[in-house]
Amino acid sequence: GAVVSQHPSRVICKSGTSVKIECRSLDFQATTMFWYRQFPKQSLMLMATSNEGSKATYEQGVEKDKFLINHASLTLSTLTVTSAHPEDSSFYICSAERGLESLNEQFFGPGTRLTVL
Amino acid sequence: GNSVTQMEGPVTLSEEAFLTINCTYTATGYPSLFWYVQYPGEGLQLLLKATKADDKGSNKGFEATYRKETTSFHLEKGSVQVSDSAVYFCALSAGGTSYGKLTFGQGTILTVHP
Repeated sequence: GAVVSQHPSRVICKSGTSVKIECRSLDFQATTMFWYRQFPKQSLMLMATSNEGSKATYEQGVEKDKFLINHASLTLSTLTVTSAHPEDSSFYICSAERGLESLNEQFFGPGTRLTVL
Repeated sequence: GNSVTQMEGPVTLSEEAFLTINCTYTATGYPSLFWYVQYPGEGLQLLLKATKADDKGSNKGFEATYRKETTSFHLEKGSVQVSDSAVYFCALSAGGTSYGKLTFGQGTILTVHP
């Protein structure tokens, strides 16, 4: 099956610093990747859609300047949380879309736990 | 907007018990419906899906039927195993300009005891 990795799996940082999270599709090319955020005991919330070679599309209420997304290649998308604050602490999950059929399947990474002190 | 409401958990069952996890949705148009499963320490995996009304998705003994009249997509399994212990998410994809975007329910934690 298709495998998506995320790095790091967990990160602890000080308030005011920036943190970069990588999402890689290991055995397929993904023109589209998605970034989700999951709060404890809550659903996954879509933050943005990342398309290779173009700007990301952010969902309503998500700060573009806070959450920088770069999809530089067909196998890598990065999410940078800039000037992180404790309220940014969360579980961040990416997914990568594979296929050219009318309904593509998304494959999910294992997630990154961010804790901002 | 689109939304998914899932049965609240956690759900605790004995091995070989019958499982039902309720899922209802609100969406414009004709969404595709999904169940994802997340095992401890792993990413979400697609369990099954249905793309139109009355379709039945099935996989690994799990089933769910797309019911347009009741806007539901309940997950069922006749006999659960300990290895089914995981978090289950119901989700929809509305298509059109929202194509590819998934709206998730809140997830249901299932624990199966021997």
